[in-house]
Amino acid sequence: AQRVTQPEKLLSVFKGAPVELKCNYSYSGSPELFWYVQYSRQRLQLLLRHISRESIKGFTADLNKGETSFHLKKPFAQEEDSAMYYCALSLYSGAGSYQLTFGKGTKLSVIP
Amino acid sequence: DAGVTQSPTHLIKTRGQQVTLRCSPISGHKSVSWYQQVLGQGPQFIFQYYEKEERGRGNFPDRFSARQFPNYSSELNVNALLLGDSALYLCASSPATQKGEAFFGQGTRLTVV
Repeated sequence: AQRVTQPEKLLSVFKGAPVELKCNYSYSGSPELFWYVQYSRQRLQLLLRHISRESIKGFTADLNKGETSFHLKKPFAQEEDSAMYYCALSLYSGAGSYQLTFGKGTKLSVIP
Repeated sequence: DAGVTQSPTHLIKTRGQQVTLRCSPISGHKSVSWYQQVLGQGPQFIFQYYEKEERGRGNFPDRFSARQFPNYSSELNVNALLLGDSALYLCASSPATQKGEAFFGQGTRLTVV
């Protein structure tokens, strides 16, 4: 079965330190992976997707098919990065439609 | 643009009752999906609708149903509520049957007592 695993419920780092939020997936096909973020009192929003290979707010994520991982990284954490981060796998659900399978999320806390 | 809007924001129901949650997608978006988020968990897929047709269904019992209207708004219905149905229900819209770019509403917090 398809599954997304985020092993850390909580990750605390100091401001200016590097950040790595881990995500591993289980999927037999060609994965489409995303990172979503939820800041305090805001709605869930897309942060980045692997297919575009972009950097958003200093965050990057590389798909490693050999290790079935899609870790989110940032070289220097900022206080405004404190939020809940979800890794998600897009799965084909038939009739041209896709559904998202989310991990349980990691709460990132950046200490001033 | 107000984004995806959901109503109501909070709801308290008694076991065995029925509930209807509503969602208005972003203008121009024809795909609406529903997710359930239990405390401490990530969102779990319930349904996807596109052009008023059900295009995907998650692992939820038949007590859960949904529909999409000609204006692309959507309703999620849950019958015979159980305590375990207490959760945040999220609606998301997409401009088409996108592979993963979803725009989420603020959610409806359902409490079953």
